[in-house]
Amino acid sequence: DAKTTQPNSMESNEEEPVHLPCNHSTISGTDYIHWYRQLPSQGPEYVIHGLTSNVNNRMASLAIAEDRKSSTLILHRATLRDAAVYYCILRDRAGDGGSQGNLIFGKGTKLSVKP
Amino acid sequence: DGGITQSPKYLFRKEGQNVTLSCEQNLNHDAMYWYRQDPGQGLRLIYYSQIVNDFQKGDIAEGYSVSREKKESFPLTVTSAQKNPTAFYLCASSIPTGIPGNTIYFGEGSWLTVV
Repeated sequence: DAKTTQPNSMESNEEEPVHLPCNHSTISGTDYIHWYRQLPSQGPEYVIHGLTSNVNNRMASLAIAEDRKSSTLILHRATLRDAAVYYCILRDRAGDGGSQGNLIFGKGTKLSVKP
Repeated sequence: DGGITQSPKYLFRKEGQNVTLSCEQNLNHDAMYWYRQDPGQGLRLIYYSQIVNDFQKGDIAEGYSVSREKKESFPLTVTSAQKNPTAFYLCASSIPTGIPGNTIYFGEGSWLTVV
C-alpha cells in the first residue's frame, strides 16, 4: 500500500495561513489523496480530497504537485478550532482484493494554533 | 440528522470478559468499518464490511469479532483473547468501496478500558 509522510507537528498563529505538507512518493496512478482531521477524543472529520487538480472547499484548499508525489493542505486563516491532528491518506485502489478502498491512517501532523 | 452513533462512549472491562461496542448509522451506507486508536497513534483497521452479511478482517482482527446482520448496524465484540484491549475505538461508514474518491464518515468513538 502506498504510504504518506507528514511532519509530526506544526505550529501556527491565529488568523495566519497554514501549509501542511505530505509526501507520497509511491502513489499509484488512480490513488486519491484524502485529508482528514481529528480533534481530541473525537472521530476523524473529512476535510478535502483530490486526484490531480488543486481543490478548494469551504474548509481548506488542496494543492497537488504535478508529479503527484506530494501535496499540501492549506488552511487560509487558522483559528483555534483548527487545532487538531491532520491526516494525509491515500485511498487504496478498489478491486485489488485487499482492503478495497479502505483508508490507511499514519500518525498525522499535530497542528497547534496560538492566539 | 443523519450520522453514526457509537455506544457506549466509555466502557470498562474486567479481565476475561467479552464486551460489545455498538455502531449504528442512518446514512444508508453499504460499507462500515471498525478502527482502533492507541494514544498518540494513528488508526488501525480491525474489520470492515462492504455489504450486509459479509465482512473482512483488517490489519489487527485477532481478538475481535463482528457481525453485519443489518445494513444499519455493525457491532464489534472485544473478546477475552484480545490481550491489550484498552484503546479508543472508532466506527465509520461510507457508500460502497470501489469508488476511491468516497469519503468516510466517523462516529464519535468509544473508550474501552480494562480494569
